[in-house]
Amino acid sequence: SYEVTQPLSVSVALGQTARITCGGNNIGSKNVHWYQQKPGQAPVLVIYRDTNRPSGIPEGFSGSNSGNTATLTISRVQAGDEADYYCQVYDTSTTIVFGGGTKLTVL
Amino acid sequence: EVQLVESGGGLVKPGGSLRLSCAASGFTFRTYSMNWVRQAPGKGLEWVSSISGNSGHIIYADSVKGRLTISRDNARNSLYLQMHSLRADDTATYYCARAGVPDSPDVFDIWGRGTMVTVSS
Repeated sequence: SYEVTQPLSVSVALGQTARITCGGNNIGSKNVHWYQQKPGQAPVLVIYRDTNRPSGIPEGFSGSNSGNTATLTISRVQAGDEADYYCQVYDTSTTIVFGGGTKLTVL
Repeated sequence: EVQLVESGGGLVKPGGSLRLSCAASGFTFRTYSMNWVRQAPGKGLEWVSSISGNSGHIIYADSVKGRLTISRDNARNSLYLQMHSLRADDTATYYCARAGVPDSPDVFDIWGRGTMVTVSS
């Protein structure tokens, strides 16, 4: 079965750039999507198909995907960006798979 | 306003059954694939099941196959999850989610607020 791996936590200073990774075997050949979830709230789609930003998502959110790692990048991090972030892929063997989630802490 | 509202959660004994509902509004429900995603307390997201707009294509996570059944009623703009033989590890918040990006049935662009299911004796 296909697995994706995320770091449990990432910390970043206010105004700096945060990078959250999602690792998987040849994940660069798959479409990766990213969700933000704040405490007590439903997830929100922030990036789809590796690099696409839905309407209403700030320009500071971007994504990339190559080789065995996909990355969500948040530029000029604000306090309001503190949340859990999940990557998600589709694989024919396991269908839809979420990463374990990364807690982003803004210092 | 595009909206999904789940209902039907509650406390159920191990081995019991429950039916979750998701009421959709603000969009043409029948044209979108729909999904259930769950989240155990303090844990990550787990995809449960997907159903196409005309119910012709249905898939399940291995962890729920044979016990949970997804369905929809396009006339009522509603999505359902029938749950049987419930176990303690089914305890979770269950989210209804729309697959709203064209040609990407695995992208969930709209989510409900969730309904909590607790399996305990």
